[in-house]
Parts: sequence; C-alpha cells; structure tokens
Amino acid sequence: AQSVTQLGSHVSVSEGALVLLRCNYSSSVPPYLFWYVQYPNQGLQLLLKYTTGATLVKGINGFEAEFKKSETSFHLTKPSAHMSDAAEYFCAVSPPSGTYKYIFGTGTRLKVLA
Amino acid sequence: DAGVIQSPRHEVTEMGQEVTLRCKPISGHDYLFWYRQTMMRGLELLIYFNNNVPIDDSGMPEDRFSAKMPNASFSTLKIQPSEPRDSAVYFCASSDSWDSSYNEQFFGPGTRLTVL
Repeated sequence: AQSVTQLGSHVSVSEGALVLLRCNYSSSVPPYLFWYVQYPNQGLQLLLKYTTGATLVKGINGFEAEFKKSETSFHLTKPSAHMSDAAEYFCAVSPPSGTYKYIFGTGTRLKVLA
Repeated sequence: DAGVIQSPRHEVTEMGQEVTLRCKPISGHDYLFWYRQTMMRGLELLIYFNNNVPIDDSGMPEDRFSAKMPNASFSTLKIQPSEPRDSAVYFCASSDSWDSSYNEQFFGPGTRLTVL
C-alpha cells in the first residue's frame, strides 16, 4: 500500500530565505509524485510533478523538487521565499498505472515572515 | 477552458436537510473525483468515477452520502440527511487518462458546506 508523510504541519520562513518542505513516500513501485498548493479559500493547484526521467523537477513560481529513490523522498524547495508563497502545500503519490487514485499527505502550511 | 466548475460555492443548511453538491468536470476528462477537506482529517477521497462509472467508493463515510454521474459533464454528491459533522469543504477534481500529463488532477474551487 502507498502512503505519504509530510514532516511539519506548519513551517515558517523569513522572506528571502530558503523554503524546504519535506515529503516521504512508501510504495512498492516507483510512483508518480506531485506537489499541489492551496491558497486560502481556493482549490488545489499543481506546482510540479515527477513521472519519469530527470529526477530534478522544476515547477511554477520558482519551486522545484528532487525525486530521490534511495531516500523515498520528494522534498519541495524554493531558494528565496516570497510573501505570496504563504499557502498550504500537499504532496501526493499515484501508482504509475491503473487507478489514477492519489494518496495525499496531510499538508504543510507555509508562513512567510516579513 | 473554464476548468472544473462546482456549485454552490457556499452552502449553509440545517441538520436533517438534504444537500446536493454539483460538479462539471473539464470537457473530455474521463476521471472524476470527489474529496472532502476538514481540519481534523485533512483531504479525503470519497469516491471516483471513470467514464461515468463509480470505481471506488470506499471513502464514502456513510449511507447518508451518495454520488452520481449521469453523464460525462455532470456529477452530484448528495448528503441526506445532513449532520453538523458533515461540515467541510468538498472538492471535485477531474483527470484525463489519455493525456500525457500522467494522472494530473485538476481541482475545482470547492463547496464550503456548513450544517447547523
């Protein structure tokens, strides 16, 4: 069975500082991996995804994530936080074929301090 | 494309009333998902459809919940009777299995349900 763990339900960073949001997964086969962002009172929006190929994935708004199979991780980073990055971030896994069903992590709420 | 459309955006009702939430997926998408989001339980998958057929409803909490997809462009999630613990934000999402975006789900803006 697949599972996703997001360490830290709340993360605070200063504006301009590095953002690091952690995601670890458990899966018997390499899954597809996703990061979604949810701004207040809005639906989820895809930030980036890893399916196959290059393990460093770049997404929107300057975010990127690296798939590390040996560590079963897919951490999300951004070199310099902006106030507009304040939101909740969800990591999700999906099997590479078949059900198209996501398993979501519990989310990490990012706060950016001025 | 207009994206996934959900209605209503906000619903306030009293305990015991029937509630119907509506979703229009992105045209051409063959998968449709219903999620519920609460502070306590996070984001939960309730049910999903493929080509209008329910595939997995194991997340539906009780018999009070039912979902239908009468055609490719419309789905409903019904709660009857509603209870205060059903208060949550309900999201609909759709996906295209034939697209190279590899299982990407596109989410609607959600319906915020409050049951008094």
